[in-house]
Amino acid sequence: EVQLVESGGVVVQPGGSLRLSCAASGFTFDDYTMHWVRQAPGKGLEWVSLISWDGGSTYYADSVKGRFTISRDNSKNSLYLQMNSLRTEDTALYYCAKWDDVDPGLDYWGQGTLVTVSS
Amino acid sequence: EIVLTQSPATLSLSPGERATLSCRASQSVSSYLAWYQQKPGQAPRLLIYDASNRATGIPARFSGSGSGTDFTLTISSLEPEDFAVYYCQQRSNWLFGQGTRLEIK
Repeated sequence: EVQLVESGGVVVQPGGSLRLSCAASGFTFDDYTMHWVRQAPGKGLEWVSLISWDGGSTYYADSVKGRFTISRDNSKNSLYLQMNSLRTEDTALYYCAKWDDVDPGLDYWGQGTLVTVSS
Repeated sequence: EIVLTQSPATLSLSPGERATLSCRASQSVSSYLAWYQQKPGQAPRLLIYDASNRATGIPARFSGSGSGTDFTLTISSLEPEDFAVYYCQQRSNWLFGQGTRLEIK
């Protein structure tokens, strides 16, 4: 069974930093591109970032470019999101999700970890 | 950047009725469009990929169509569990549409 479990969400002050983690199991992690998607309270889905299977390619939404860094450790079946210079508008539930290349889409999602940026 | 616009923002229908949801891209995305369903308190679920292909385990009442800039998600006969928010996503820059809330009339 595929499982994605996010962690690391906390309350942080504006300007602060945070690292989110996503522990993957039930599939061959290093075969797949992984994404982060966020959802502000009561709002829609916002794509944040993706990383290729080997970490060689990364992409970011304009809203987080230069502040967030996506990475992965295939030896630990783990995905990360380093978040710096946090703003109040970064407050959201952060999901990690697995991309399926065969049936192209985000086919498995975690339950999310909540990041609150507030003074 | 490619922007996806979904309409309507809210759709009010009764169980058994047909639902038609629209997603329009600001420029062509070929057929590289997916649809997701999200229920309250749950993560999204992939419904349709590449505009018209049902994901694994998705009931046949869900269908997708379109290419280029105009796409449609159709639910042929609404079941009570279908009332949720639906999002489209393209894989040129991975952005989502703003969502359509399907509510019980």
